[in-house]
Amino acid sequence: SQKIEQNSEALNIQEGKTATLTCNYTNYSPAYLQWYRQDPGRGPVFLLLIRENEKEKRKERLKVTFDTTLKQSLFHITASQPADSATYLCALSFSGGYNKLIFGAGTRLAVHP
Amino acid sequence: NAGVTQTPKFQVLKTGQSMTLQCAQDMNHNSMYWYRQDPGMGLRLIYYSASEGTTDKGEVPNGYNVSRLNKREFSLRLESAAPSQTSVYFCASSDNPREGLYFGPGTRLLVL
Repeated sequence: SQKIEQNSEALNIQEGKTATLTCNYTNYSPAYLQWYRQDPGRGPVFLLLIRENEKEKRKERLKVTFDTTLKQSLFHITASQPADSATYLCALSFSGGYNKLIFGAGTRLAVHP
Repeated sequence: NAGVTQTPKFQVLKTGQSMTLQCAQDMNHNSMYWYRQDPGMGLRLIYYSASEGTTDKGEVPNGYNVSRLNKREFSLRLESAAPSQTSVYFCASSDNPREGLYFGPGTRLLVL
């Protein structure tokens, strides 16, 4: 079965630095990979999607890379701010199933002033 | 435009009681989903509805039933609650799940 691994330990960084979060997966290659942000007590919010044939995607201060050889996605937040503090979830969508979207457990990011 | 709304926000049940979680979306999305989220685990799909009139089981459907009442509303029913169903339940909707899901605020359920 598919397994998605995100670092369960919180990532603590200083304001202004670049935060890098990792999402690793096993077995089959996903057709799409998505990143979500979740604040305490709230539902996840969709941030970015990257397709299997894309190496990198950017949106404002966010950058996502997708390495299908390493079976890994990296999520970067540049010039991080305390307001970026949240849990970030990755989710993989596999071909062959309309609704096969599998979520990782998420990594908590804390940006300190 | 409220997006995805869920009721209730919080609920405490005793083992064996039943209840229905309500979900509605005003974005005219075809697909709707029910997920549960437990500490240390990713969101797990319970049931989904690809379009009005259809429902299908997800990863963890046991102990749950769903109804797609119309295009806007998708309810989740627990017929006989068990402590293992203590969780946070999220409803989501999408036009295309591969383009991202829109989540509701969640229902926190405690089964004693």
